[in-house]
Order: sequence, then structure tokens, then C-alpha cells
Amino acid sequence: EAGVAQSPRYKIIEKRQSVAFWCNPISGHATLYWYQQILGQGPKLLIQFQNNGVVDDSQLPKDRFSAERLKGVDSTLKIQPAKLEDSAVYLCASSQGGGTVNTEAFFGQGTRLTVV
Amino acid sequence: GENVEQHPSTLSVQEGDSAVIKCTYSDSASNYFPWYKQELGKRPQLIIDIRSNVGEKKDQRIAVTLNKTAKHFSLHITETQPEDSAVYFCAALRQGGGNKLTFGTGTQLKVEL
Repeated sequence: EAGVAQSPRYKIIEKRQSVAFWCNPISGHATLYWYQQILGQGPKLLIQFQNNGVVDDSQLPKDRFSAERLKGVDSTLKIQPAKLEDSAVYLCASSQGGGTVNTEAFFGQGTRLTVV
Repeated sequence: GENVEQHPSTLSVQEGDSAVIKCTYSDSASNYFPWYKQELGKRPQLIIDIRSNVGEKKDQRIAVTLNKTAKHFSLHITETQPEDSAVYFCAALRQGGGNKLTFGTGTQLKVEL
């Protein structure tokens, strides 16, 4: 079974530039999460999708962050403009969800963003 | 919303000793509690989980206990080995309530020879 795919693995940008991350979840997984993990901290949920609908985006800084999940499969997370404090690893995870009992979340390798 | 607290933030044990990591949660409706292990530079991976209808679950050297009344759950690792060294995260989820998965702040476990 293929895992959660993310790209790019690493990205370095200057502050005020824009950046986009891509995630391809495990096939058939209805739930998709984007987490921000700052060095030394636990993953912080930015946004959660159920198919192509947003379930929770309460911690997404909407003035600069946006995300979409077209057709309920792949997802992109965008930051525009980036700030120094956005430097972190951005993790995508997916789970079967959809009301099933299988709630295990599988993570991608993450994208390490450095804003200079 | 759900708030998950995790202690300790760092834990150092001698090889062969046991390690215990504790978490508390705030939402009494949470009913699924996974534990993830994250090695340096790698993705978090599930090592064990427990649902609210069970008080304890064991898988070889790893066990998790859940006290719903007190809203806390713990990870127990026995006979620790150097390869157990990693960051461990607890999490809580309310199945049927959007499946929002909230993580604790992590515990850096170091197993010393």
C-alpha cells in the first residue's frame, strides 16, 4: 500500500514570498489533515478535510494560509506572504475516516520550510 | 476544543528500565487515543492506540492504560532499548465528532546504555 506522499521535502524562501505544499493521501482515505510542527513541539492542526469539505480550520492563520482539496483527493497548502515564524515542518496525514471505526492517521514525510 | 497535555517533556532511562509517559485530555467525549513515535527527521508513526471502551492494551513491550474518569492515559515501555530513543506523542480524537486529532507536546525519550 502506498503511503502519504508530500512534496517538496525541503523549501527555503525569503520572508514575504509565497510557497505551496502538495499532499497525496492514501487512496480511499476520506480524512486529510495538515499539521504544522515547529522544532521541539507537537504537531498543531492547521486544517482538516473530510472529502473535499473543511471540517476544522480554526487554527489556520487565514490572512496568509490557504488550503484546498480538489475532488476530495490531493490537497495543497499555501502560505502568502511567508513570515519567519512560519519556519517549521508541514505534515500531511490521512485516515479512512468517514464514520468508519478505522481512525488511524498515517503521516507523510513532511515538508521542511525555512523562511529567511 | 480538545486540549492534550503531556508529561514529562524529556525522559532519560537506563537500558532495560521502564519508561512511563502521561497525558491528560479535556474533552470527555474523546474516545480514541493513539500514541505516535517520531524519530529524528522522520514522520510520526503509530505504535499503539486505545479506545474508550478499553482500560488497557498491551503489545509486547508497550502498553497503554486509560482512565476515562480522570481523563488521563499513559504509555508504558518495559525493558527499554536504545532504539526506543525518540520523541513520543500522545493524541486524542472524538470519533463521530469530526475526527479532529489533537496532539500533546511530546516527550523526548533517551535510553542510555
